[in-house]
Amino acid sequence: AQSVTQLGSHVSVSEGALVLLRCNYSSSVPPYLFWYVQYPNQGLQLLLKYTSAATLVKGINGFEAEFKKSETSFHLTKPSAHMSDAAEYFCAVSGGSNYKLTFGKGTLLTVNP
Amino acid sequence: GAVVSQHPSWVICKSGTSVKIECRSLDFQATTMFWYRQFPKQSLMLMATSNEGSKATYEQGVEKDKFLINHASLTLSTLTVTSAHPEDSSFYICSADRQDPREQYFGPGTRLTVT
Repeated sequence: AQSVTQLGSHVSVSEGALVLLRCNYSSSVPPYLFWYVQYPNQGLQLLLKYTSAATLVKGINGFEAEFKKSETSFHLTKPSAHMSDAAEYFCAVSGGSNYKLTFGKGTLLTVNP
Repeated sequence: GAVVSQHPSWVICKSGTSVKIECRSLDFQATTMFWYRQFPKQSLMLMATSNEGSKATYEQGVEKDKFLINHASLTLSTLTVTSAHPEDSSFYICSADRQDPREQYFGPGTRLTVT
């Protein structure tokens, strides 16, 4: 069994500020972890994924995430927020390679000018 | 990147009618596709796993007779909402599982409104 907890349903930052979106997971097997972004009325776009290789994962649009097994966390960061980053972000876990995803509740990121 | 399409992108139907939603992987073959449902401002909930050439696997609490899934080819899965009711109104998203390299690609979603 697996689950994801995203801390903070809404995060607001100023343009140029650090973005930190939190994700904690639980999994009975070594997990694969994902971050997706969703713009209004659209599907999901993969930002990055962890599949048991390097613990620091770099993704698209300047985002990165670090897998910390001891903390069961996979937080998403970006050094400098851009207005175009405003969207809903979902963390997801799968039990290894079966790719059946369990999603967190999502975090809405707003970026203030 | 790989592309997954959904059709229609939005549909309005009357209560009691059936609606079919198509999910296509345009540039790769997918033996497995997934169907999700998303309520406003909420997360995606997996409804079922669609396997080419075999019966779909439904998640607990999802009525298989109401949400009919057919995965007749390696590039097409369909979800039919039968005898739709207003509570079926939602955003339905599919994804297709590519094997090499392994990754799941999401469609743009279908907004269903039942009146």
